[in-house]
Amino acid sequence: KAGVTQTPRYLIKTRGQQVTLSCSPISGHRSVSWYQQTPGQGLQFLFEYFSETQRNKGNFPGRFSGRQFSNSRSEMNVSTLELGDSALYLCASSLVVGTSGGNNEQFFGPGTRLTVL
Amino acid sequence: AQSVAQPEDQVNVAEGNPLTVKCTYSVSGNPYLFWYVQYPNRGLQFLLKYITGDNLVKGSYGFEAEFNKSQTSFHLKKPSALVSDSALYFCAVRPYNQGGKLIFGQGTELSVKP
Repeated sequence: KAGVTQTPRYLIKTRGQQVTLSCSPISGHRSVSWYQQTPGQGLQFLFEYFSETQRNKGNFPGRFSGRQFSNSRSEMNVSTLELGDSALYLCASSLVVGTSGGNNEQFFGPGTRLTVL
Repeated sequence: AQSVAQPEDQVNVAEGNPLTVKCTYSVSGNPYLFWYVQYPNRGLQFLLKYITGDNLVKGSYGFEAEFNKSQTSFHLKKPSALVSDSALYFCAVRPYNQGGKLIFGQGTELSVKP
């Protein structure tokens, strides 16, 4: 089975621009989560999508948004980029996760390295 | 507040020696606990998880972890370290009733020297 794929792997943008990152989950996985990884803040949860619905959101400003398509692929968008948005953005997928969270582990993609100049 | 703490930024071990990477957590209800490993310029790889049952959990690559409810700890262990185990290790907890959200510790850099 192919793993989680993320495109692009690297991005360089300037302040004020917007960016869209893409994630294709493992076949059969319906839950997709996004995380931001920075040296200072570590790994922080952005949001989770399940069956095209956002079911959980972390503490990020509204400039960060996402969506999920009927084939479970997901995109996240960051508008009006700031220098502090430079980070590794990780996508993770898992099997059906109930409201209790479930015990399914998440499988992570290689990430998209975003640099904001 | 729900949180995960990894008290050591770095752990240094000689090859062949046992290793322990520490993790403590604070979460309401019964937690689901996970360990992940990250190699340079790579995503996170799943190592093992604790859901319920036996307090000693065995995972990939010879790693195991011991769940201790009274100490709210979930330490990662390996009887004999390899140089190839050198990487960044993350402990994570999934709070109850928050979907798939994971709360991660700050990570521990493991360095295994020959």
